[in-house]
Amino acid sequence: SQQGEEDPQALSIQEGENATMNCSYKTSINNLQWYRQNSGRGLVHLILIRSNEREKHSGRLRVTLDTSKKSSSLLITASRAADTASYFCATVMYNNNDMRFGAGTRLTVKP
Amino acid sequence: NAGVMQNPRHLVRRRGQEARLRCSPMKGHSHVYWYRQLPEEGLKFMVYLQKENIIDESGMPKERFSAEFPKEGPSILRIQQVVRGDSAAYFCASSRRDGSSYNSPLHFGNGTRLTVT
Repeated sequence: SQQGEEDPQALSIQEGENATMNCSYKTSINNLQWYRQNSGRGLVHLILIRSNEREKHSGRLRVTLDTSKKSSSLLITASRAADTASYFCATVMYNNNDMRFGAGTRLTVKP
Repeated sequence: NAGVMQNPRHLVRRRGQEARLRCSPMKGHSHVYWYRQLPEEGLKFMVYLQKENIIDESGMPKERFSAEFPKEGPSILRIQQVVRGDSAAYFCASSRRDGSSYNSPLHFGNGTRLTVT
């Protein structure tokens, strides 16, 4: 079954605005990771947040994790046209080898 | 330091033919994962391998699909007697540490786009 589910499916904003994407999951996790995918390319790791962490920052990225609600959010501040891509959350469960990806949020940042 | 290398980048096969997809992990990585992606969808886990061992193949179809990661050389995902439904992008990823903890991120190749005509 699908583990990470992102919403919205698509998001279109103007350059300079903030973009927020959400991810929900169903079972207990070890950690949650966010990845970015440009069209026609492989995924690139952005940030990892462990199950005992609540918030993490990396440059213009801010990730939160609420294990009680089984949800995470990715905030991109001061967006740029180059941030246009698909963003995926991936969950890693305990005692499980595979990393489950959601269907992604397609972000378009208009210049 | 080369990243994960996948080849070919594009592969066209007729129904019934075999498709072989290759993946060379990053230097120093001994764990390889294969994922399949349909257009506008996320990645679906297929198989996780270490050198000479299949650790988890729970996401791989029982028939026609096989994967290996030999002691020497790249990992190979093999699809026999391809059908149109096999058309997709197949991504390989590698990691350094023990993948069962997954506290190290995956490094992805740029994928092989398989088209079955």
